Amino acid sequence: ETGVTQTPRHLVMGMTNKKSLKCEQHLGHNAMYWYKQSAKKPLELMFVYNFKEQTENNSVPSRFSPECPNSSHLFLHLHTLQPEDSALYLCASSQYGGRTTDTQYFGPGTRLTVL
Amino acid sequence: EDQVTQSPEALRLQEGESSSLNCSYTVSGLRGLFWYRQDPGKGPEFLFTLYSAGEEKEKERLKATLTKKESFLHITAPKPEDSATYLCAVQSNAGNMLTFGGGTRLMVKP
Repeated sequence: ETGVTQTPRHLVMGMTNKKSLKCEQHLGHNAMYWYKQSAKKPLELMFVYNFKEQTENNSVPSRFSPECPNSSHLFLHLHTLQPEDSALYLCASSQYGGRTTDTQYFGPGTRLTVL
Repeated sequence: EDQVTQSPEALRLQEGESSSLNCSYTVSGLRGLFWYRQDPGKGPEFLFTLYSAGEEKEKERLKATLTKKESFLHITAPKPEDSATYLCAVQSNAGNMLTFGGGTRLMVKP
């Protein structure tokens, strides 16, 4: 595997379900990110992890819970979601963790549908 | 607060018809401006990083330029496979967060 991978690619869940999204980066980077992309809206940053420490939580509802066990893996745990949470969830990674100009590389995304 | 505005929202071109996409930004100390290409249902693909006003970068039919207030993505003699949404984002000196614009959806007809 190369670059940034995400699983699953598609997920359909009910409002009472609990599920998790997984992201893995094979680039040796030190920062990882979760973004939400809804139709007709710019990409919205959700969470930032630098060197496994959460450094940004962009006012995300508590029904989204991130986890970063190491610099290569990032999870987004989902519970009691709302239909308006349906979107493309993108993971990204970057090398420097914010210390300098830091290009982010994105995974293919997970298309989430909440029924 | 950092802001990024892209125009036009959508652009239809005939194959071979050159044009430019605009990205206007305000940022408290620019650390970098980024261009990405995104195909439907996929993640953004990195194209360019621009660091300072006056800088230019090229890749195949694409050329990105940067001033203190805006960036342009020039597309020369586009082909149908250039059809995609092009995203612009800025990183400020405050950290590693990116602020994205709404994107320009480019459609190139054969």
